[in-house]
Amino acid sequence: AQSVTQLGSHVSVSEGALVLLRCNYSSSVPPYLFWYVQYPNQGLQLLLKYTSAATLVKGINGFEAEFKKSETSFHLTKPSAHMSDAAEYFCAVRNSGYSTLTFGKGTMLLVSP
Amino acid sequence: DARVTQTPRHKVTEMGQEVTMRCQPILGHNTVFWYRQTMMQGLELLAYFRNRAPLDDSGMPKDRFSAEMPDATLATLKIQPSEPRDSAVYFCASGLADYEQYFGPGTRLTVT
Repeated sequence: AQSVTQLGSHVSVSEGALVLLRCNYSSSVPPYLFWYVQYPNQGLQLLLKYTSAATLVKGINGFEAEFKKSETSFHLTKPSAHMSDAAEYFCAVRNSGYSTLTFGKGTMLLVSP
Repeated sequence: DARVTQTPRHKVTEMGQEVTMRCQPILGHNTVFWYRQTMMQGLELLAYFRNRAPLDDSGMPKDRFSAEMPDATLATLKIQPSEPRDSAVYFCASGLADYEQYFGPGTRLTVT
């Protein structure tokens, strides 16, 4: 069965600092991995996805993630945080044989001036 | 800009009442998902449909929850009777085949 672990329920950074949100996965098959962002009182919005092509995936709003098979990781990064990046971020892995996703518990990103 | 729409956005109801939530998936998407989000449990998959046929509803309490797709443009999630523990945000998402899912804005349900 697939699973996702997001390290840190809250991450705080200063505006302009590097953003690093960690995600480790467990999958019995080559994984399809996703990062979603949820702004307050909104639904989840797809940031980026890995579907076995390039290991470095670029997404919207300057975010990118690198798939590392040896570490079973898919960490999300952004070189310079903006106040508007404050939100909750979810990592997800596609379940084998199905269309469904398994989501992590989420990481709340806090950005201070 | 195609989006998943959900109605109502907010619902406050008393315990024992019936609640119906509606979702309009993105035109052309053949897979529809219902999720529930709470602080304690996070995101839980309740049910999903492919080409309007239910594929899995094992995440739903069977005695009170039901999900249907009367047609390709409408998915419904019904709770009868509602209980305070059903208070949550309910999301609908749609997708094409086995890839990314696109989420609606959610229905915030409060059962008193």
